[in-house]
Amino acid sequence: GAVVSQHPSWVICKSGTSVKIECRSLDFQATTMFWYRQFPKQSLMLMATSNEGSKATYEQGVEKDKFLINHASLTLSTLTVTSAHPEDSSFYICSSRQGETQYFGPGTRLLVL
Amino acid sequence: AQSVTQLDSQVPVFEEAPVELRCNYSSSVSVYLFWYVQYPNQGLQLLLKYLSGSTLVKGINGFEAEFNKSQTSFHLRKPSVHISDTAEYFCAVLNNFNKFYFGSGTKLNVKP
Repeated sequence: GAVVSQHPSWVICKSGTSVKIECRSLDFQATTMFWYRQFPKQSLMLMATSNEGSKATYEQGVEKDKFLINHASLTLSTLTVTSAHPEDSSFYICSSRQGETQYFGPGTRLLVL
Repeated sequence: AQSVTQLDSQVPVFEEAPVELRCNYSSSVSVYLFWYVQYPNQGLQLLLKYLSGSTLVKGINGFEAEFNKSQTSFHLRKPSVHISDTAEYFCAVLNNFNKFYFGSGTKLNVKP
């Protein structure tokens, strides 16, 4: 199956700082990538759909100014959590779709102190 | 709206015993069905998928699932589990509006 990588795998930051998470599709070109958030013991919540060369589509209730998404190339999408607060602490997972199948990155654990 | 139901939040089972993880979905149109596994602090790994054809689908790690259209179910099975199968399992549906929906997950705990 397709390979999707994420960097970093862990990040700890102070409240008020911004954090950037990278998502790369390693063996195929992805015009669309997806960003999910997962709270402990819960399922994945789709935050936004990242579109190469155009604006991301955000799900209802997700602040676009808080979670900035950039999809500058066919292999890279980034999620920037701006002015992070402790409630933004979570597990963030990206994915890319090849045909009908979604392939997921390994996730990024964010802890905001 | 599409929904995916995994009734069992946790399933404890002894090693080498069979296991079935249940998944039901709501849809009156064609869907594609998936099972993913998530190990602690990792992303989701595709176990198997049903797109069309045979309703019995075989996946990795000895897992299989059966698509039952009349019961709108896609239960995951393994005849003999290992300790290493301890993980969380997610059922997912891709509907004809090209949107993915995930179940709430089932935590499989394999005991020695």
